[in-house]
Amino acid sequence: AQTVTQSQPEMSVQEAETVTLSCTYDTSENNYYLFWYKQPPSRQMILVIRQEAYKQQNATENRFSVNFQKAAKSFSLKISDSQLGDTAMYFCAFMKQLRRNRDDKIIFGKGTRLHILP
Amino acid sequence: AAGVIQSPRHLIKEKRETATLKCYPIPRHDTVYWYQQGPGQDPQFLISFYEKMQSDKGSIPDRFSAQQFSDYHSELNMSSLELGDSALYFCASSSPGDDIQYFGAGTRLSVL
Repeated sequence: AQTVTQSQPEMSVQEAETVTLSCTYDTSENNYYLFWYKQPPSRQMILVIRQEAYKQQNATENRFSVNFQKAAKSFSLKISDSQLGDTAMYFCAFMKQLRRNRDDKIIFGKGTRLHILP
Repeated sequence: AAGVIQSPRHLIKEKRETATLKCYPIPRHDTVYWYQQGPGQDPQFLISFYEKMQSDKGSIPDRFSAQQFSDYHSELNMSSLELGDSALYFCASSSPGDDIQYFGAGTRLSVL
């Protein structure tokens, strides 16, 4: 069974600073996806970034980047130049990469609540 | 661009009542997923459908049932509601050529 662990329940940083959210996971699968989802107070689930396990290059989306260490099963999210709108709950998540077998449910970590302070 | 539509957005029920949640996937998406997020919790997978057939099942109570219809929309039926069923219920959909699950805005169910 797959597990996702986020060891930081809550974090606060000043606006414009850089913050890193930690995530580790456990799986025996070789092909999978890792995600970071953002859930603002509206409770909408927003995909921030996706990493395919077979890709060595770390994914980047504007101010968001990941540090994917496959051997260590670590997947951290770095937010640069943080903005007030980044205040949200952030979930690290895992999904098997499959084709026709649809055992592709997303497994979420417990989340990290991030506060960006003005 | 069209997104996943969930209705209703909010629902208030009494204990032991029945509720039906609806999900309309993005056009041409063939797979629908249901997740339950309790207060202060992470989302938990309930059930999924691929091409109108159940494809995977998680920790879904026997009191809940779901199906996917010919137009690919899905309904989650919840009977004998309990206080613990109060949660945010997400539906997500994906397409054959893309493994990303796109989430709807969720239905907030309150059981009183």
